[in-house]
Amino acid sequence: GEDVEQSLFLSVREGDSSVINCTYTDSSSTYLYWYKQEPGAGLQLLTYIFSNMDMKQDQRLTVLLNKKDKHLSLRIADTQTGDSAIYFCAENSSASKIIFGSGTRLSIRP
Amino acid sequence: DTAVSQTPKYLVTQMGNDKSIKCEQNLGHDTMYWYKQDSKKFLKIMFSYNNKELIINETVPNRFSPKSPDKAHLNLHINSLELGDSAVYFCASSRANTGHQNTEAFFGQGTRLTVV
Repeated sequence: GEDVEQSLFLSVREGDSSVINCTYTDSSSTYLYWYKQEPGAGLQLLTYIFSNMDMKQDQRLTVLLNKKDKHLSLRIADTQTGDSAIYFCAENSSASKIIFGSGTRLSIRP
Repeated sequence: DTAVSQTPKYLVTQMGNDKSIKCEQNLGHDTMYWYKQDSKKFLKIMFSYNNKELIINETVPNRFSPKSPDKAHLNLHINSLELGDSAVYFCASSRANTGHQNTEAFFGQGTRLTVV
């Protein structure tokens, strides 16, 4: 079946890099996404990657895609306190269905 | 000028009542969704509509009935509310998934439903 899995919590020191991992199951997904949810707010798209790419960089964000292993990661360089949020991995699995992971809660230590 | 707007933002109601949440998008998207986010922040798809037609109903109780009067609106009506319905409900929209184009979902701000 369709499932997107990610670890629930990640704690990093301010200024370090954060790496959030995700595994998905639908090999037909053409796009994979990272969304950010701040407390009390909706989900905002951070970045996405097309399935025929293996890396995408956007300022402090780097997305790596291993299509063979169905593994997606998001690296945030120089993590700041404003990066504290829940990060959701998602895939556009089959027609009209976007499946989300459980979300990874990122907390920043001083 | 909000892209996806849903109302109300907060809804507190008693068990057994019937309530509706409205959603509108001005992005010209063909596909709209309802998601439920529980207290642990898990986000589960409930329904998906494409051009006003129901595409996905993810084993949601019959008490939940989506209605799409046009492709810019997808409202959610809930009958006989139960305590377990308490959650944040998110509306979203995207382009239709043709397999070739980016179908990123744009989300509303959520409706926090509390059933007492």
